[in-house]
Amino acid sequence: GENVEQHPSTLSVQEGDSAVIKCTYSDSASNYFPWYKQELGKRPQLIIDIRSNVGEKKDQRIAVTLNKTAKHFSLHITETQPEDSAVYFCAANSGGSNYKLTFGKGTLLTVNP
Amino acid sequence: GAGVSQSPSNKVTEKGKDVELRCDPISGHTALYWYRQSLGQGLEFLIYFQGNSAPDKSGLPSDRFSAERTGGSVSTLTIQRTQQEDSAVYLCASTPANEQFFGPGTRLTVL
Repeated sequence: GENVEQHPSTLSVQEGDSAVIKCTYSDSASNYFPWYKQELGKRPQLIIDIRSNVGEKKDQRIAVTLNKTAKHFSLHITETQPEDSAVYFCAANSGGSNYKLTFGKGTLLTVNP
Repeated sequence: GAGVSQSPSNKVTEKGKDVELRCDPISGHTALYWYRQSLGQGLEFLIYFQGNSAPDKSGLPSDRFSAERTGGSVSTLTIQRTQQEDSAVYLCASTPANEQFFGPGTRLTVL
């Protein structure tokens, strides 16, 4: 089955700096890669996703890049703000299916004012 | 509109008791998922429903865990003879396509 590795497990940055979280996946048939943000005590919420037919996608301060050959994808947050502090999870669909997502173990991002 | 809801929000039970966790998905979402999230861990897939059937139950940890879905809507996750290692947050999600919308979760504590 699919295996998703996420690094780092914790990340601390100063407000205004950039943050990068990286994930690798094992199933070459995976074609959908979402990122979820989970604030403390809250539910995970989708912040951005990318499909395998594109290499990069941006939404304001957030961008995701995908390298299908190397089977890795990354989340980039620029001009970080304290409200970006949360746990971020990457995921990949299994076997190219539409339904089953395998999640990474998460990255705790702390943005220091 | 209303999002995914779950009840109860918190459940404390004694080891050996049975518990039922409920999920109300977003109306019209045909797919429903159950995940388990232990402290400091990721989201562990438990089971997936398409309509009322469960094509993938591969994540259920043992035969003490079962789930059903009725009317293509509400789902119930049942844990029999609870053990301390069952303590976790149980999350439900529903989706019309790819994006999964999560409920607030049920925090289960087994004493």
